[in-house]
Formats: sequence, C-alpha cells, structure tokens
Amino acid sequence: DGGITQSPKYLFRKEGQNVTLSCEQNLNHDAMYWYRQDPGQGLRLIYYSQIVNDFQKGDIAEGYSVSREKKESFPLTVTSAQKNPTAFYLCASSIALGQGAQYFGPGTRLTVL
Amino acid sequence: QQPVQSPQAVILREGEDAVINCSSSKALYSVHWYRQKHGEAPVFLMILLKGGEQKGHDKISASFNEKKQQSSLYLTASQLSYSGTYFCGLNNAGNMLTFGGGTRLMVKP
Repeated sequence: DGGITQSPKYLFRKEGQNVTLSCEQNLNHDAMYWYRQDPGQGLRLIYYSQIVNDFQKGDIAEGYSVSREKKESFPLTVTSAQKNPTAFYLCASSIALGQGAQYFGPGTRLTVL
Repeated sequence: QQPVQSPQAVILREGEDAVINCSSSKALYSVHWYRQKHGEAPVFLMILLKGGEQKGHDKISASFNEKKQQSSLYLTASQLSYSGTYFCGLNNAGNMLTFGGGTRLMVKP
C-alpha cells in the first residue's frame, strides 16, 4: 500500500536539544512539505521541496532545517533555536509542486519538557 | 494572507445540511478541501480549479466562485462520520497552499 509514514508518533525534547522527525513516502511523489499545527489552529508551512536536493523555506522556517537526499525521504530537524516547538507536525506529499492533492502522514506530536 | 473560513464552528443533528465558506483577498487558482479528525492527519476531500466548477464526493460537494474569490463546501444529510474540522487550502498561483483556520463540525445523533 502506498502512503506516507512519520516517526515517532510522540516525541519529547528537553530545552536546548535538536530533534529530527522522520517522513517517508512511497507514492513516487516529487513534492514534499512540512507543516506545523498548533491546538485549534490551521496548518502553517515550514519547508517544502519540489525535487531531490532542493528545498525552500515556507512561512515559519526559523528554527527548523530539512534535507532531501532521496525522493522518498524529507526529514525535519527542530533546532534549539526554535523557541516554542511544542506542536503537531505533519508531513505531506503531492505529485508535483502545486499539483494535485496533498496526502498527509499521521503526524508527530512534539512536546518540550 | 490566511483564507477566512466561516462559520468557525457548527453543530448539526444527523440528517441536517451545512455550508462552510472560505474566502480570500487574493485571486485564486485552485481550492482544496480537507477534513481532519481529532489527533489525526487531514484527509483530502476534493480540489476545485479555476472555472467555477463544482465537484462532489458522496453527499459532500463544493463550488468555486473565482469572481468572488471564494469557495463553499456543502454537506448534505450529514452523518455522524462527518464530524471533524474542515480546512480549505488556497492556491494563489504560487504553487503553495495557504490553509484557513478551520471550521469545527459536530454531528449529533
């Protein structure tokens, strides 16, 4: 079955630590996205990538970093520079940038202790 | 700029209808609609492209009024499974989606 997986489902971080959230897709999609969702809010775009080895900042990129070394994988690192990282993080992919539906992974809930 | 969704919340009895609106201050290229259950990922419902088309998905349909820069989602004869938060995502021809704040829908028996 094709889909998007994210791990871990829950993540706890101490202040000052960097953590990396995994996102893998086997849909053969070129475009991938990371969103942040705060309680009761909509989705805000952190980073996106339209092709391997290329990625662009979204609306709230400060304190985050990404890589896209393989088509299937788009990991997100939440750095210690992100002052308020507690949130629900969603990864998505689409066939191409701006084309077709975006399909979402199950999400990672990050809590800073 | 974030799209404006209205209403922010709505409570229905099973079998009732609802309309959710999404409007933008910018010209629209396409509109996406998603439904999210609590604690889960958003699930794609439908895309509407420029041209005023109307699409349907079971008893859920949507329209896209390019001139008014808005889209409406119509839920007919609502079922318990329709409960969740509905988001519109707007593409203003920059290839990125900007999501609205969501409309919380609760369907009661």
